[in-house]
Formats: sequence, structure tokens, C-alpha cells
Amino acid sequence: SQKIEQNSEALNIQEGKTATLTCNYTNYSPAYLQWYRQDPGRGPVFLLLIRENEKEKRKERLKVTFDTTLKQSLFHITASQPADSATYLCALDEAAGNKLTFGGGTRVLVKP
Amino acid sequence: KAGVTQTPRYLIKTRGQQVTLSCSPISGHRSVSWYQQTPGQGLQFLFEYFSETQRNKGNFPGRFSGRQFSNSRSEMNVSTLELGDSALYLCASSPGRQETQYFGPGTRLLVL
Repeated sequence: SQKIEQNSEALNIQEGKTATLTCNYTNYSPAYLQWYRQDPGRGPVFLLLIRENEKEKRKERLKVTFDTTLKQSLFHITASQPADSATYLCALDEAAGNKLTFGGGTRVLVKP
Repeated sequence: KAGVTQTPRYLIKTRGQQVTLSCSPISGHRSVSWYQQTPGQGLQFLFEYFSETQRNKGNFPGRFSGRQFSNSRSEMNVSTLELGDSALYLCASSPGRQETQYFGPGTRLLVL
């Protein structure tokens, strides 16, 4: 069966350190993968999109990698700040349409 | 540009009633997708509309339906509400296929 797995345990990290989140998938051949941030009671906010032919993407303090052989994406937040505390969701689109399948999300808590 | 807007933001209904939720996409975006988010099931895709046509559909019963108007605004309807329909309903818009989806703030539906 198809699965997208993110670490369900919260990630507690000290301010200034790098947070690394994992998104693993099985039985998918995604055209692209996206990362979103979601704060409680609010809609997800788009962060980064990476396509199947790209290995890495960066945006300010964020970096995402995409390994289609390992079927894994890693999401890094460098020089983390308390304002980065949120739930981070990975989502992929296999059908090359706009039908996103989301992982369960990983909650990140950055402590000052 | 204004972001995706959803109305109403909060709604309380009783079992058996029906509800209609509205979504206005970002100007120029022609694709509108709907998602349901619950603590137990996470974010799940409902359906996607592009140029007034349903292009993709998730695994939800026929009680869930939607439509898109010529100005790209979209509505979703849930008939014969059940307690399990209590959720955050999110709308996302996108310029086209394989492009970033931008989410609205959601409509919080509570079914009593």
C-alpha cells in the first residue's frame, strides 16, 4: 500500500541549531514533493517545492533534498529560531495533477 | 495579491443538515483543490477543479460534492452531515498543474 511517513515524534531543538526532518514514501513515483509549515488552527503555508529531477533546493535558511532512489526527502532548517516552531508537512503529487497526498507532519519546537 | 479566502471561518451544524463552504482563489489561479483535516486522518484530498471541471477526486463518499464557477471561485457541499465530518476544511489554489498550491485559512466545521 502507499505510505508517506514523517516522524510523528516532536523534534525539540535548541535555538541556533539545525533541525532535520525526514519524509519517506513507499509505492509512489512522485512528480514533485512539497514542504509546508502549519501553525495551530491555520492553513498550511508553502515553503519549498522540489521536482523529481532536482536533488536539492534552498530558500534562505531552508534546504530540501529529494532522493528518488531512497524514496526520501530531507528538510533542513539551519540557524533555527523560536519562530520556526510549528508542524512541518511533506506532500507529494504522483498524478502530475494537483492531488496532494500529505504525510502526518512533524512538530518542531525550537527552544531559546 | 490577496491570498486565498474562505467563508465562513467557523460553522456549527447538527447531524443530518447540509453545509456549503466557499473559496475564492488567488487572482489568476484556475485550479482549486479542497482538503479535509482531522486529528485522526490528517490532511486528505477531497477534489480538484480546473476551469469549472472536476479533474481529480479523493476517496470520500458522494455526500461530498463541489463546483467551480467561471470566475474560478469554488464551493463545496456536504449533505446529510455526520459527526465524523467535523474537521478543518481547507481550500488551495494554484495557477495550473504541477505548481505550488496556496492554502486558505480554512473553515472549521463542528457537527453536533
